[in-house]
Amino acid sequence: EVQLQESGPGLVKPSQSLSLTCSVTGYSITSNYWGWIRKFPGNKMEWMGYISYSGSTSYNPSLKSRISITRDTSKNQFFLQLNSVTTEDTATYYCARSRRVSDVMDAWGQGASVTVSS
Amino acid sequence: DIQMTQSPSFLSASVGDRVTINCKASQNINKYLNWYQQKLGEAPKRLIYNTNNLQTGIPSRFSGSGSGTDYTLTISSLQPEDFATYFCLQHNSFPTFGAGTKLELK
Repeated sequence: EVQLQESGPGLVKPSQSLSLTCSVTGYSITSNYWGWIRKFPGNKMEWMGYISYSGSTSYNPSLKSRISITRDTSKNQFFLQLNSVTTEDTATYYCARSRRVSDVMDAWGQGASVTVSS
Repeated sequence: DIQMTQSPSFLSASVGDRVTINCKASQNINKYLNWYQQKLGEAPKRLIYNTNNLQTGIPSRFSGSGSGTDYTLTISSLQPEDFATYFCLQHNSFPTFGAGTKLELK
């Protein structure tokens, strides 16, 4: 059974970069698609992007200038970096697996809460 | 972006009730609609994928229907463990989410 677990700093200062790790067990990230989603206070959710089995990426156009998703296949981890954060990036960040383009987000992590504040 | 309008935002019901939750897309999403359940502090759990496909391990009291722009999640007979938040996700184009429905015990 696949399991995903987010980790990273819970507090980030404005203008800095937010960095999170998703550790995957029970499944290789060299298969399928691995993405990030966030849930804002007030419960609005936003898809941020994914990295594929081959290492290609796709990003939400609204974030394209600030976001990077990378991976370390030797550790079976993938990463989110969001640059130039503001208080509006305060959210709970989730990682999730999609099996293919037509079968998305079948497994999620529990989420990591990140607050942007000085 | 495709906008997803989910209703109701809150729903009070009793054990044994039949409940429905709706999502309306701003354009045709070709049945690429998933439903999720989330409990506080837990990972979202996929219940239904592509409108009407029951995720493995999910009880058959959960079902989905719809086409075009209008989609429905039905719980045929509420159980105590079903009180949670539910949200929809469309993936016909880049994914967007409904705002969620909080299902509470009446």
